[in-house]
Amino acid sequence: LAKTTQPISMDSYEGQEVNITCSHNNIATNDYITWYQQFPSQGPRFIIQGYKTKVTNEVASLFIPADRKSSTLSLPRVSLSDTAVYYCLVGATGYSTLTFGKGTMLLVSP
Amino acid sequence: EAGVAQSPRYKIIEKRQSVAFWCNPISGHATLYWYQQILGQGPKLLIQFQNNGVVDDSQLPKDRFSAERLKGVDSTLKIQPAKLEDSAVYLCASSLLAGTGILGYTFGSGTRLTVV
Repeated sequence: LAKTTQPISMDSYEGQEVNITCSHNNIATNDYITWYQQFPSQGPRFIIQGYKTKVTNEVASLFIPADRKSSTLSLPRVSLSDTAVYYCLVGATGYSTLTFGKGTMLLVSP
Repeated sequence: EAGVAQSPRYKIIEKRQSVAFWCNPISGHATLYWYQQILGQGPKLLIQFQNNGVVDDSQLPKDRFSAERLKGVDSTLKIQPAKLEDSAVYLCASSLLAGTGILGYTFGSGTRLTVV
């Protein structure tokens, strides 16, 4: 399994764009990059998944450079409710077990 | 679509007692997972079921933890006897089918266990 490294914590203010970068230097050819969000007292929730270039949905964007050794989760105009832990995971399409790191604790302030 | 249901929501027991957690996955999801999440850490996989068969239980402390998924639907995770270090949130997740990618995991809200 490709190991991921992401910041332990980040601080932001409401209305700002937040970018969380995850490093995965030994990502394999068939690995996808997936991000999950976890609020206190809840289970993790799928946000976005990508393989290369850029993926966008109604919640976030995911930027993946050509070498795929890192990825950046972008949250546009965050609000207080975006305060959560964000996990970056890497795994192959046919490999269905999620292995979590410690994640990034994002704190959004007024 | 109903989510993954877990009960109880909270549980406090004394060390050396036993405890059981229940999970009802999303209808039609063949794969079920139990994760343990200690405060400040990411979830750690304990066991994975495909229908009613165990796919991966390599990180399950089998001397005290057991899990079953009868009829390939609901699942129960048991701890007997509990230790102080078992204090954690126990998360259940389900997905359509192993091998269809790491999309489609849905987690329940978990059971918070406190061992005193």
